[in-house]
Amino acid sequence: AQTVTQSQPEMSVQEAETVTLSCTYDTSESDYYLFWYKQPPSRQMILVIRQEAYKQQNATENRFSVNFQKAAKSFSLKISDSQLGDAAMYFCAYRSAEGGSEKLVFGKGTKLTVNP
Amino acid sequence: EAQVTQNPRYLITVTGKKLTVTCSQNMNHEYMSWYRQDPGLGLRQIYYSMNVEVTDKGDVPEGYKVSRKEKRNFPLILESPSPNQTSLYFCASSSDRRYSGNTIYFGEGSWLTVV
Repeated sequence: AQTVTQSQPEMSVQEAETVTLSCTYDTSESDYYLFWYKQPPSRQMILVIRQEAYKQQNATENRFSVNFQKAAKSFSLKISDSQLGDAAMYFCAYRSAEGGSEKLVFGKGTKLTVNP
Repeated sequence: EAQVTQNPRYLITVTGKKLTVTCSQNMNHEYMSWYRQDPGLGLRQIYYSMNVEVTDKGDVPEGYKVSRKEKRNFPLILESPSPNQTSLYFCASSSDRRYSGNTIYFGEGSWLTVV
């Protein structure tokens, strides 16, 4: 079974600075998808960024980018120019690419605080 | 607008009183799932459905039932709720990834407290 580990329960960053959230995963599969979700105080689940394992290029969405290291099974999220609205719980998630598997396996989350 | 709608959003109930949390999606998605979120544990899948009349257990199915009689609806049933089912529940839906590009849509969550 796949597992996702987020080793940082809490992180903090100064406004306008850069922060990196860590995520590692364990799988024997070669094809899969990885995601970062943001959960603000409203508890809504918001997709931040996704990465297909077969793509070597790291995904980027505006101020958010990932460092995907397939051999190391690492998928970190970098937030540049942090804003107060980035404060939230962040979840790393794994999804198999095998047919019929729609399950997301989540890490336990990292709570990000942004200090003004 | 693409939506996954859950009801109720907030509920306090008593141990043993059957309840149903409804979930409806308007995107004609084949796949639907229920997750629960507990502090320090992230989200864990309870049940999922690959299409009408096709359901299967996730990681934490004990104490829950589901049904999929219509494609758009996937209710979560707690036949005899217990305090350890106090949690935040999310419904999610997605289309066949061959056509969808992997987007999974989440409902807004349902806070359930069992006393």
